[in-house]
Amino acid sequence: QVQMVQSGAEVKKPGASVKVSCKASGYSLTVHYIHWVRQAPGQGLEWMGWINGNNGGTNYAQKFRGRVTMTRDTSISTAYMELTSLTSDDTAEYYCVRMSRDYYYFDLWGRGTLVSVSS
Amino acid sequence: DIVLTQSPLSLPVTPGEPASISCRSSQSLLHSSNGHTYLDWYLQKPGQSPQLLIYLVSNRASGVPDRFSGSGSGTDFILKISRVEAEDVGIYYCMQCLQTPITFGQGTRLELK
Repeated sequence: QVQMVQSGAEVKKPGASVKVSCKASGYSLTVHYIHWVRQAPGQGLEWMGWINGNNGGTNYAQKFRGRVTMTRDTSISTAYMELTSLTSDDTAEYYCVRMSRDYYYFDLWGRGTLVSVSS
Repeated sequence: DIVLTQSPLSLPVTPGEPASISCRSSQSLLHSSNGHTYLDWYLQKPGQSPQLLIYLVSNRASGVPDRFSGSGSGTDFILKISRVEAEDVGIYYCMQCLQTPITFGQGTRLELK
């Protein structure tokens, strides 16, 4: 079954870091770009950046540069998103999303990982 | 950054009636090199991840009922539902992937009357 399996919910203190994983199942990670999109409670969708599953190249939204790092481990077909210096504003559902091979749309979404930041 | 503005933000609809959502972009979403217009529509059903409905303005994704249709060009786009069903409830987002940062509209919440 083709899917993206994300890691479980996290609870973090302000100032901490979080690393969310996303395992590609049923397809090859190396032929797609993997994007990360987040959604604060009751809010809309916010794009964070992408990683090229083939060569590991990245492109981050300006808002997150310096705080976000996207990586991948092709040996275990897993992509990661690490966010540092967390604040309560980072409380959100984090989705990994596969871009279609023709770059026209997001064709596969993970189920999301809830990251809660609270003192 | 490209700004997408959706309207209305809330859309109460009687089952069986049509519905329409507008998405306006702050700049053209037409790719000059390949002629494609990079505007997609997604539906986020309650408690679920978003799912693709329409890509490149008017192409229905696999498995999407034909009561959904997309149209538009340049900066103005419309998503239409010919006859709303109960399973269509959720939040509809337009998205542009012409350039980064990829941006989304604010979302339109469709609910049943």
